[in-house]
Amino acid sequence: QSALTQPPSASGSPGQSVTISCTGTSSDVGAYDYVSWYQQHPGKAPKLMIYEVYKRPSGVPDRFSGSKSGNTASLTVSGLQPEDEADYYCNSFAGITNLGVFGGGTRLTVL
Amino acid sequence: EVQLVESGGGLVQPGGSLRLSCVASGFSISNDWMTWVRQAPGKGLEWVANIKKDGSTKKYVDSVKGRFTISRDNAKNSVYLQMDSLRGEDTALYYCARDLGWCRVDQWGQGTLVTVSS
Repeated sequence: QSALTQPPSASGSPGQSVTISCTGTSSDVGAYDYVSWYQQHPGKAPKLMIYEVYKRPSGVPDRFSGSKSGNTASLTVSGLQPEDEADYYCNSFAGITNLGVFGGGTRLTVL
Repeated sequence: EVQLVESGGGLVQPGGSLRLSCVASGFSISNDWMTWVRQAPGKGLEWVANIKKDGSTKKYVDSVKGRFTISRDNAKNSVYLQMDSLRGEDTALYYCARDLGWCRVDQWGQGTLVTVSS
């Protein structure tokens, strides 16, 4: 399985919105509505932010939203806050006999 | 409080072996798939292996097939990763995590560092 494609960096000013893309193939992102997103601050473990394309775990602010179109999933962070500055990784289910596949990660900078 | 605590990492020579352990508290792992994810220094996340609730199904990333073995002991609420024939490219922080299914990994440990070097 090849890694999903994410932009290496993204940025926005406090209060603005930013969208991070995650492009896969018809064998992973395009085939299943099982895309998840993880936030990772430096030196910390990843944290689940979105699962099944758009669902938020309890405790995740509704400023975080997810969507998917074709082979590309997206994470949108609205009303950027300084604490949103982190690395973000997408992940997709890739079939019942396979492990999932991660994206390469996007570093989000809040200017 | 739900917690996962990994141990067993360290410095090992190429070709050597290590056994990672992960003990869960605050929940019973018998209800969940469990997984190992690694992160090389300064790099992204990579699935390594996961194991079904009863241990009957195991999956591995191609790069570790035949060298790593994932196992679990539900009675001890623990998951393990036996790593043999280690290579430099296996150097990473190894996270133990709970997978609720369909790549929904909701609980992560803090990781244990494995360094493969002579």
